Amino acid sequence: RKEVEQDPGPFNVPEGATVAFNCTYSNSASQSFFWYRQDCRKEPKLLMSVYSSGNEDGRFTAQLNRASQYISLLIRDSKLSDSATYLCVVNDNPNTGFQKLVFGTGTRLLVSP
Amino acid sequence: EPEVTQTPSHQVTQMGQEVILRCVPISNHLYFYWYRQILGQKVEFLVSFYNNEISEKSEIFDDQFSVERPDGSNFTLKIRSTKLEDSAMYFCASVRVVYGYTFGSGTRLTVV
Repeated sequence: RKEVEQDPGPFNVPEGATVAFNCTYSNSASQSFFWYRQDCRKEPKLLMSVYSSGNEDGRFTAQLNRASQYISLLIRDSKLSDSATYLCVVNDNPNTGFQKLVFGTGTRLLVSP
Repeated sequence: EPEVTQTPSHQVTQMGQEVILRCVPISNHLYFYWYRQILGQKVEFLVSFYNNEISEKSEIFDDQFSVERPDGSNFTLKIRSTKLEDSAMYFCASVRVVYGYTFGSGTRLTVV
């Protein structure tokens, strides 16, 4: 089973649409969870951390279900500039100190006018 | 905003040659990492470095790879004898304490 699994997409949506991405992870000891955004041939950039209580940052909402080992990202009112690959990322190191990030393969989002 | 700087942005090398990829982490960060991403694939952990030694390395990070922080600022990844399958984007990252990875913009390594 893959460590972090995502639907690769692409998701093609019109501007203004709401789109949701899902992710599952295999290591139940994982401690922290993130969504990163990656533009073509660029570095991953942190979009948001994901907390058990769910969290929101503007148009972006992230949810975590530890029991199901499931993470989601909801983007409301999609903009053209949201077109990118969204990476589900898990810190696989249960110890404090250094993190070892495990990345999903990413879900590609294309927002069209 | 502080940045992690990587050089060169693109390196082409012949199979069997040694390459050194350079990174300047953010100055007050304590943990340093290398990740790689083969074209079309996921980002993969290579190695973490703390207190001047390797904390953990993946099975990708075999004897052909080494890291060092020779002068307290630069953080380098050396590949001793490159193979075609080493062609990838290599990302350096640094973290101050626990959270908050900052990735560099990457070095694209092409082995021919």
